[in-house]
Amino acid sequence: DSGVTQTPKHLITATGQRVTLRCSPRSGDLSVYWYQQSLDQGLQFLIQYYNGEERAKGNILERFSAQQFPDLHSELNLSSLELGDSALYFCASSVDPSGGEETQYFGPGTRLLVL
Amino acid sequence: GNSVTQMEGPVTLSEEAFLTINCTYTATGYPSLFWYVQYPGEGLQLLLKATKADDKGSNKGFEATYRKETTSFHLEKGSVQVSDSAVYFCALHFTSGTYKYIFGTGTRLKVLA
Repeated sequence: DSGVTQTPKHLITATGQRVTLRCSPRSGDLSVYWYQQSLDQGLQFLIQYYNGEERAKGNILERFSAQQFPDLHSELNLSSLELGDSALYFCASSVDPSGGEETQYFGPGTRLLVL
Repeated sequence: GNSVTQMEGPVTLSEEAFLTINCTYTATGYPSLFWYVQYPGEGLQLLLKATKADDKGSNKGFEATYRKETTSFHLEKGSVQVSDSAVYFCALHFTSGTYKYIFGTGTRLKVLA
């Protein structure tokens, strides 16, 4: 158990809908990362937050957005869903990647299926 | 730009065989290098890491050495077990600048009894 929790575990929805994925980092970790893992594209970095502020952006679509709240939990919002958004979405956390402790701890993931 | 290239899988080995999974990187600067492992149905977990050139990371019988001259971080294990069957990801990370992690595409390892 990494200490990172993600809800829900599974999500089935329809095209055009909007969903919110939630992540609680390990106690003490200030940084949260979101990744998308699909069969054909491997593990894609989406976005990183550090202590409430966006720090780095990867291949995140405009239809997707995220935020990190004062209690450090994070939410990833996916809107106008398409079939191709079906994937595993992972959250990871770390203490502070600029402070030398770079290990990421991954949650179990949310499996999204868009029908 | 920065990137990580891993050998394509799947890699299928018999139990007790020697394992090598190749990883090379392209980076401007001096990143830290990582191997993460993903067991079926789980999230990724850190296997080992090395933060500077010539460092060797090791864990659970796996080893990898940070080779700056060949920009490589190959994963090795002398004798694999069925329980090592998983997907292995090579990654790099900078402690300054973008802070982004960059992962390879993953290599699936299947170990047969």
